[in-house]
Amino acid sequence: AQSVAQPEDQVNVAEGNPLTVKCTYSVSGNPYLFWYVQYPNRGLQFLLKYITGDNLVKGSYGFEAEFNKSQTSFHLKKPSALVSDSALYFCAVRVTAYSGAGSYQLTFGKGTKLSVIP
Amino acid sequence: GAGVSQTPSNKVTEKGKYVELRCDPISGHTALYWYRQSLGQGPEFLIYFQGTGAADDSGLPNDRFFAVRPEGSVSTLKIQRTERGDSAVYLCASSRLAAPEADGYTFGSGTRLTVV
Repeated sequence: AQSVAQPEDQVNVAEGNPLTVKCTYSVSGNPYLFWYVQYPNRGLQFLLKYITGDNLVKGSYGFEAEFNKSQTSFHLKKPSALVSDSALYFCAVRVTAYSGAGSYQLTFGKGTKLSVIP
Repeated sequence: GAGVSQTPSNKVTEKGKYVELRCDPISGHTALYWYRQSLGQGPEFLIYFQGTGAADDSGLPNDRFFAVRPEGSVSTLKIQRTERGDSAVYLCASSRLAAPEADGYTFGSGTRLTVV
């Protein structure tokens, strides 16, 4: 079974400072990894994904994430936080190898609430 | 439409009643997913449609839950004999291709179901 852990329920950061939202995963096989953001009363919005290749992936709104296979992590980062980045962030994973039923579903973490303080 | 539309946005029902939640995906998207998000949790997979057929229903919690997509577009999630534990936000997502890494999902805003 695959699982995702987001160890921090909440992250607070001052505007203009770098931010990191942590994610670790557990899969039997090679992972596809995703970050989504959820604003209040809005649907989940895709930020970025790792499939293969360069371990550092860049996504929307200046966010990036680094895939670390040895640490089974995929932390989300941004060099300079904005107040408008305040939202709920979800890490998700799916296993690449086709295994019949369940192969396309995503497994999400519990989410991390990011608060950027002006 | 421009996005994934879910109706109603909020639904309050009494324990034991039957409810239907509707999802209208982006035109031309053949893959459709239902997820359930309980308070303080991430979304959990329920069911995946490819066209009209349910390709993976392994996430449905029990036989009170059922979903259809008769014409390969609009989908309806049906819950019979609702229980208080069914209270959650039900999210629908669609994509042009089945695999989320190929095309990304587009999620709707969800239906908040409250069972009293």
